[in-house]
Parts: sequence; C-alpha cells; structure tokens
Amino acid sequence: QVQLVQSGAEVGKPGASVKVSCKTSGYTLTDNYMHWVRQAPGQGLEWMGWINPYSGATKYTQKFQGRVTMTRDTSTVYMELSSLRPDDTAVYYCARGNGYCTGGSCWFDPWGQGTLVTVSS
Amino acid sequence: QSVLTQPPSASGTPGQTVTISCSGSSTNIGSNYVNWYQHLPGAAPQLLIYTNSYRPSGVPDRFSGSKSGTSASLAISGLQSEDEADYSCAAWDDSLSGWVFGGGTKLTVL
Repeated sequence: QVQLVQSGAEVGKPGASVKVSCKTSGYTLTDNYMHWVRQAPGQGLEWMGWINPYSGATKYTQKFQGRVTMTRDTSTVYMELSSLRPDDTAVYYCARGNGYCTGGSCWFDPWGQGTLVTVSS
Repeated sequence: QSVLTQPPSASGTPGQTVTISCSGSSTNIGSNYVNWYQHLPGAAPQLLIYTNSYRPSGVPDRFSGSKSGTSASLAISGLQSEDEADYSCAAWDDSLSGWVFGGGTKLTVL
C-alpha cells in the first residue's frame, strides 16, 4: 500500500536550517504532486507548498517564499526550511496530492507520520 | 488565525449525531470544494471526506459532508468512542492561491 515515512525529530537553532525527508513506497513518485503542511502547537494546519516530483517544479505559499526549498530524488521528497525562527516550531507533514491536481479539486491522501521540528537556542 | 472558522470543540455521547461546521468566504468555500481530515491522537491526519461529500474507500458511511454557500459541515452519526479526534476542514483559496485550513475541532465522546 502507499506509504509516506518521514525522518525523525529535529532540533535547530534560530537562523539555522533543517531538512525533513519523506520516503515514499507503494506507488510511482512521479505520478502525484507532494505537498507539505505544518501544524504549530495549538494551531491549525498550514499549507506550505507543493513539488511536482516529475519535473521538480515547485510552488510555495508566499509566507515561506525565500525560506523553503522542496526537492526530490528517486523515491524521496525533501523539505528544507532555512532562517529558522522559534515560531517555526511545528510538526511538519508531507501529504500526497491526487495526481497532478493543483487547486480547488485536490485532496491530500495519504499523509506522512509527521516530523517534529523544534527551534531553540 | 486560521482562514476557515471551526468551533474549537464538540462533544456527544455514543450513538448520537454530531455536526461540525466550517465557515469560509467566497474565495475559498464559496467557489471551491471542501475536504475534511481526521487526526487521531498520535497518528497522521487522514482524508475523511473529499470534494464536499465523497468518502474514500474504508471510511464508514456514518461520516457525511455537505456544503452550502460559504459554509460546510461534517456530520458523524452513530458516534463511537474511536471517533474521538481532531477534525479539520480545508479548501483552496483563489485569492491566496493556496490551500487554507480550519483551526480544527476537537471531538470528545462522553
């Protein structure tokens, strides 16, 4: 079955970078966009952007432009967040989109188990 | 502050029907489909309802979704203890050109 397995918890200092991986199995990576969503403590889910694993094209929400980079290799997708701030402390999820869908008729299924990123000096 | 508005909590007793609301605007719910996600404690979020009212394979028909204007609702009938979880709505926002979520509703089964 389709599985997304994320890397383990990370601790980063303010100003540093963190890179989270999302290893896929059970389907062809290039058949679906991959999205990244985060959830800060006590907050709702927040969409960060997507990557087209076939072409490498990306779309980031304006809030993270210039700080986030999504990449991929054969079976794994990565999300790197730089210039870390304490309010970046959150659980980060990868989530597969339905095909090459972007926009209003898309949904996310399945999701990775989440990676806790803690930003602390 | 989430773009979509949900009540922070809801509760019900086993067997009851509970409804969770999700309020948005013309640029998100008013012009796009709504999806719902269930987030069980310690687990990854799971797709519960897509395209307003469709259930993925494996989701019991006790869960149903609807949309009217700029609001959407998730109804859970025959409430069971294992339904205790956080529920979040989501929709594409044409103005923001991105996905927006509700703040989540924590459902307690009394």
